[in-house]
Amino acid sequence: GNSVTQMEGPVTLSEEAFLTINCTYTATGYPSLFWYVQYPGEGLQLLLKATKADDKGSNKGFEATYRKETTSFHLEKGSVQVSDSAVYFCALQGGSEKLVFGKGMKLTVNP
Amino acid sequence: DTAVSQTPKYLVTQMGNDKSIKCEQNLGHDTMYWYKQDSKKFLKIMFSYNNKELIINETVPNRFSPKSPDKAHLNLHINSLELGDSAVYFCASRGDGRLKTDTQYFGPGTRLTVL
Repeated sequence: GNSVTQMEGPVTLSEEAFLTINCTYTATGYPSLFWYVQYPGEGLQLLLKATKADDKGSNKGFEATYRKETTSFHLEKGSVQVSDSAVYFCALQGGSEKLVFGKGMKLTVNP
Repeated sequence: DTAVSQTPKYLVTQMGNDKSIKCEQNLGHDTMYWYKQDSKKFLKIMFSYNNKELIINETVPNRFSPKSPDKAHLNLHINSLELGDSAVYFCASRGDGRLKTDTQYFGPGTRLTVL
C-alpha cells in the first residue's frame, strides 16, 4: 500500500537557519503530494502541494519539488522564523482518495 | 466564515460513555473525512463519505459510527468509550474535482479525553 516516510525530529533551529525536512514515499501510480503544517493548538493547514512529477510547490518561503525518480518531496526553507515553529506533515493522495500521512516532524525555531 | 468547523473543541468524558462530535463544512464539497491523531501526532484516516455515502472505512471498531445527514455534515458517534480512544479527531472535506486530487481542508480538531 501507499506510505510516507519523513524525518521525525524533533528539530530545533535558530532563527534564519536553513531548513530541510526529508520526505520519501511509496505509491502505485501517480499520487499527489502535500505538506501540511499544524501550529501549536491548531488544526492542519495545507502548506503546499504538487500534483505531478517535477512540479514545485511553494508558499510562505517554503518549497518542495516532486521527484519521481527518487520518490521524494523534501521541504526546504532558506531562512526560518520563530513563527515557523510547528509540526510538519508530508502526505500523499493516490487513487483511493485518502490522504496518507508521514509521522510528522516538530520544528522549534529559537530567536 | 469558517470553512470546516467542529464541535466541541474539547471533550472530556468517562469510560463507557457514548459521545458525538459534529462537523460541518460550508465549502460546497461532496466528500468529507474523519481522521484520528494519536498522542504521538500520527494521523490516520478513519472514514470518508461522498454525498452521504460511505466510501472509506479503515478498519475502525464498530463502536465508531459516522453519520451524514446531508453532504455538508459528517458527525462521528462513539459508543462505549475506551481509554485508547483519547486522541484529537479531525474532520476534513474535499471538492469533487474531475481528477479527484483537490486539496483536503481540515477542521480545527476535537480533543477527546477519556478518563
